[in-house]
Amino acid sequence: SQTIHQWPATLVQPVGSPLSLECTVEGTSNPNLYWYRQAAGRGLQLLFYSVGIGQISSEVPQNLSASRPQDRQFILSSKKLLLSDSGFYLCASTMWGNTEAFFGQGTRLTVV
Amino acid sequence: GENVEQHPSTLSVQEGDSAVIKCTYSDSASNYFPWYKQELGKRPQLIIDIRSNVGEKKDQRIAVTLNKTAKHFSLHITETQPEDSAVYFCAASRGNYGGATNKLIFGTGTLLAVQP
Repeated sequence: SQTIHQWPATLVQPVGSPLSLECTVEGTSNPNLYWYRQAAGRGLQLLFYSVGIGQISSEVPQNLSASRPQDRQFILSSKKLLLSDSGFYLCASTMWGNTEAFFGQGTRLTVV
Repeated sequence: GENVEQHPSTLSVQEGDSAVIKCTYSDSASNYFPWYKQELGKRPQLIIDIRSNVGEKKDQRIAVTLNKTAKHFSLHITETQPEDSAVYFCAASRGNYGGATNKLIFGTGTLLAVQP
């Protein structure tokens, strides 16, 4: 099975500062990759997904962007964080032909 | 766009009782319906899934039913135990059929509390 590495585990950032969260995948090639945000410890909102290098689809308009510079690397970024960007961010991966999603450990982001 | 509704948002049961969580989906092309369990502070993990070509699937104390006509599916947990306490998420996707990306759309979650 695949393993998702996501870091950092926790992050406290001031409003207006930049953000970079990284996710890497082991145990598979050419995965579909996803960024989800979980606000208030409940619902999982899909932010971005990618089917290949350089291919990013955005699900909701927001202050964030995503990039996929390598096959198994997915990055979530922001130029200037807002208070509303606080939340629990999860990276996920699915393999072609296999519908189960594997999640990273998550990053708890607090914007102050 | 695609949407998945989940009810109830919180559910409290006594140990040994059954728990039922229900979801409805909007995308009629959805054909894959997984359920994830998320313990406090941890990542979601798949506990059971069902595809559109079956109406029911069971794995020990957990079962899932699917009604494609009504576009709803349910999770049933029997003989609940305190370790079942967690947040449960339903999800729906088109799977990999026809080039779809297996984009999982999640419900809003159900906080299940099993009282000893």
